[in-house]
Amino acid sequence: KAGVTQTPRYLIKTRGQQVTLSCSPISGHRSVSWYQQTPGQGLQFLFEYFSETQRNKGNFPGRFSGRQFSNSRSEMNVSTLELGDSALYLCASSRTQETQYFGPGTRLLVL
Amino acid sequence: GQNIDQPTEMTATEGAIVQINCTYQTSGFNGLFWYQQHAGEAPTFLSYNVLDGLEEKGRFSSFLSRSKGYSYLLLKELQMKDSASYLCAVRDMNSGGYQKVTFGTGTKLQVIP
Repeated sequence: KAGVTQTPRYLIKTRGQQVTLSCSPISGHRSVSWYQQTPGQGLQFLFEYFSETQRNKGNFPGRFSGRQFSNSRSEMNVSTLELGDSALYLCASSRTQETQYFGPGTRLLVL
Repeated sequence: GQNIDQPTEMTATEGAIVQINCTYQTSGFNGLFWYQQHAGEAPTFLSYNVLDGLEEKGRFSSFLSRSKGYSYLLLKELQMKDSASYLCAVRDMNSGGYQKVTFGTGTKLQVIP
């Protein structure tokens, strides 16, 4: 069974631009969560989607948004990029409450 | 909200045993996870505890005490490849009745020969 996939793996943007990241969960997993990871803050929860509905949201500004499609694939969007948005963005999918499986992440660099 | 504390760094010798502690404060507790993350890679699942006690899985064991808000990850027979960050994560219920996982900042373990 294929794991969680994320595209693109690496991305360079400039301040003020917007970016869309994609995540395909493991087949059969309906829950997708997004995290931002930086050296100083560790893993910070962004939001979680289940069956196309956002069930939970972390403490990030409205520039961060997401959605989930009927096939459970999810996208997150960051508008008006800031230097501080440079981070590793991780997606995790789950089928049960007992674990999450992480994708390889998208490393975003904002210049 | 949640507060999760774990040591920032630890060093241990190859072949030895190391215990990584995690304390947490939360309401609506519904499970604690341990993940391993090698530099530049995504976290990988190690263990899950929802009831008090010890869960053993090969060289790795995880313990939970809900009344004390305390968990530890025990690594035995340390190998060089165990050098990584170990993340403690707690799941609890948010105000909307949905569950959310919050991660600690991780413990960077260095295994030395």
